[in-house]
Amino acid sequence: GAVVSQHPSWVICKSGTSVKIECRSLDFQATTMFWYRQFPKQSLMLMATSNEGSKATYEQGVEKDKFLINHASLTLSTLTVTSAHPEDSSFYICSASPPGQGSSPLHFGNGTRLTVT
Amino acid sequence: GQNIDQPTEMTATEGAIVQINCTYQTSGFNGLFWYQQHAGEAPTFLSYNVLDGLEEKGRFSSFLSRSKGYSYLLLKELQMKDSASYLCAVRDGDYKLSFGAGTTVTVRA
Repeated sequence: GAVVSQHPSWVICKSGTSVKIECRSLDFQATTMFWYRQFPKQSLMLMATSNEGSKATYEQGVEKDKFLINHASLTLSTLTVTSAHPEDSSFYICSASPPGQGSSPLHFGNGTRLTVT
Repeated sequence: GQNIDQPTEMTATEGAIVQINCTYQTSGFNGLFWYQQHAGEAPTFLSYNVLDGLEEKGRFSSFLSRSKGYSYLLLKELQMKDSASYLCAVRDGDYKLSFGAGTTVTVRA
């Protein structure tokens, strides 16, 4: 089945630093990937849609200058949390689906738990 | 935006059946998904409905009524390992997937 790999699984960083999270589709090409954020005991909230070769589309309320998304190839999207603050501590999850949007479910990476101290 | 509602918590006994309801209001519709999520892990895909009716996959079944904006996930022969959060998600007309808040199911011996 489709596999999405996310790295790192967890990261601890100091306030003010930047953190990069990678999302790779291992056995299919993904022109579109999605980045979600999940706070404890809450649901997944879509942050942005990453589009290969073009700018990402951000959801309302998500700062594009703070959450930089790069989708440089058909198998890799990166999310960089710039100048991280404690309130950015969360579970970040990327997802993608194989080509043919018909019935393809989104497959999720294993998530990255970010803790900003 | 999308509006997806599901109960917060449900408790059931091992071997029993539990039904998790989900109602939704979206702009456009391209399918409804159910995911299972264990604490600290990413969601895993359970089922998909795009047409009205029942889809059965082993112990799990999912039902959809598009006219009513309603779906349910049925878990049969509950096992302890089924204790998890179950997320109802709807794909809208732009193929964006939005999630409900999740239903935490606790299975007791």
